[in-house]
Amino acid sequence: EVQLVESGGGLVKPGGSLRLSCAASGFTFSSYSMNWVRQAPGKGLEWVSSISSSSSYIYYADSVKGRFTISRDNAKNSLYLQMNSLRAEDTAVYYCARDNRGMDVWGQGTTVTVSS
Amino acid sequence: DIQMTQSPSSLSASVGDRVTITCQASQDISNYLNWYQQKPGKAPKLLIYDASNLETGVPSRFSGSGSGTDFTFTISSLQPEDIATYYCQQYDNLPIFTFGPGTKVDIK
Repeated sequence: EVQLVESGGGLVKPGGSLRLSCAASGFTFSSYSMNWVRQAPGKGLEWVSSISSSSSYIYYADSVKGRFTISRDNAKNSLYLQMNSLRAEDTAVYYCARDNRGMDVWGQGTTVTVSS
Repeated sequence: DIQMTQSPSSLSASVGDRVTITCQASQDISNYLNWYQQKPGKAPKLLIYDASNLETGVPSRFSGSGSGTDFTFTISSLQPEDIATYYCQQYDNLPIFTFGPGTKVDIK
């Protein structure tokens, strides 16, 4: 079964850091670009970051540029999002999603809450 | 940056009704548009890619059309399980993906 499972969310104070992970299974992870997409409470979807299959190309939304770092370990079939200098407006459910003619496989999401 | 708008923002329809949602891009995006369904508390699900192609396993009552700046998503016969929020997404302006604001569909 093709599957993505996120982990690492939690409650963090403003200015703090958190590292999200996304474990992939059921497909050749190293063949696909991957994305992080977030959804603030009661709001729509916001693309956060993308990484190409070999990590050659990495992109960020302006809202997180300079604070978030996406990475992947193809040997471990895992995607990561290092989030630093967190702000209240980063509070959201964070999804990882496979890039294939659209984002065709999504994880269940992990919740990040930034609050003092 | 490309902006995406959707209308209506919400709608109520009866089971069996034909439902149409429109999505407009602020500039020509060719057919680089996808449609997603998101049920409450769940992750989004890809329904339509490249404006009009049905993702594998998606019921044929869902369809998409359009190119350039104007796109349409249609549910030919609304079913109770279609209650969800629907989002369009452009990917013409890679590497930036932009989602529309969403259209919430419920049963009248």
